[in-house]
Amino acid sequence: EPEVTQTPSHQVTQMGQEVILRCVPISNHLYFYWYRQILGQKVEFLVSFYNNEISEKSEIFDDQFSVERPDGSNFTLKIRSTKLEDSAMYFCASKEGALVHTQYFGPGTRLTVL
Amino acid sequence: AQSVTQPDIHITVSEGASLELRCNYSYGATPYLFWYVQSPGQGLQLLLKYFSGDTLVQGIKGFEAEFKRSQSSFNLRKPSVHWSDAAEYFCAVGGSSGNTGKLIFGQGTTLQVKP
Repeated sequence: EPEVTQTPSHQVTQMGQEVILRCVPISNHLYFYWYRQILGQKVEFLVSFYNNEISEKSEIFDDQFSVERPDGSNFTLKIRSTKLEDSAMYFCASKEGALVHTQYFGPGTRLTVL
Repeated sequence: AQSVTQPDIHITVSEGASLELRCNYSYGATPYLFWYVQSPGQGLQLLLKYFSGDTLVQGIKGFEAEFKRSQSSFNLRKPSVHWSDAAEYFCAVGGSSGNTGKLIFGQGTTLQVKP
């Protein structure tokens, strides 16, 4: 069964460094999402992406964050200058189309900022 | 404002006992409702979903949920819990009306199963 994959599974970085989290959505899906989950808290929406542009972003998704679909398969989240409070599990999700409402989630990338 | 409330942060049940996890939502448009399960160190697995039609929906692993519009609830149930059901359970709501489909999650309920 097709699934969303994410790499790396765990990333450790120093405060102020740039990180890129990678996701490969399910191949025929058109809508892509990033969510994050700070340890012990709920899953929070960051950004949605469709037709090569951001369709919605949350207050969390400030200028330090960016997303890109550099080719036909990858979907990336970049954090330009990481802060301690960026430490979280980051989930990528995708869904097939506008009329299909089920999102499928990847296994997540645990980001630790030291 | 759009929100999801899971009133129970932590629930412990004995193996073989029945289970009900509560979820209440606040959403201005027609809600699409989901339950996801997260095992330790794992991602989010879809258990079941409700879009329309029959308000009692069946999911994987023997779970079911009932949509009650009058109570703005979408409670998850299982008649007999197995030790492997120990995990964190998230209720989520998404929308219609051509929006981007973002999901709003509840705080989660951690289920512990006693032998």
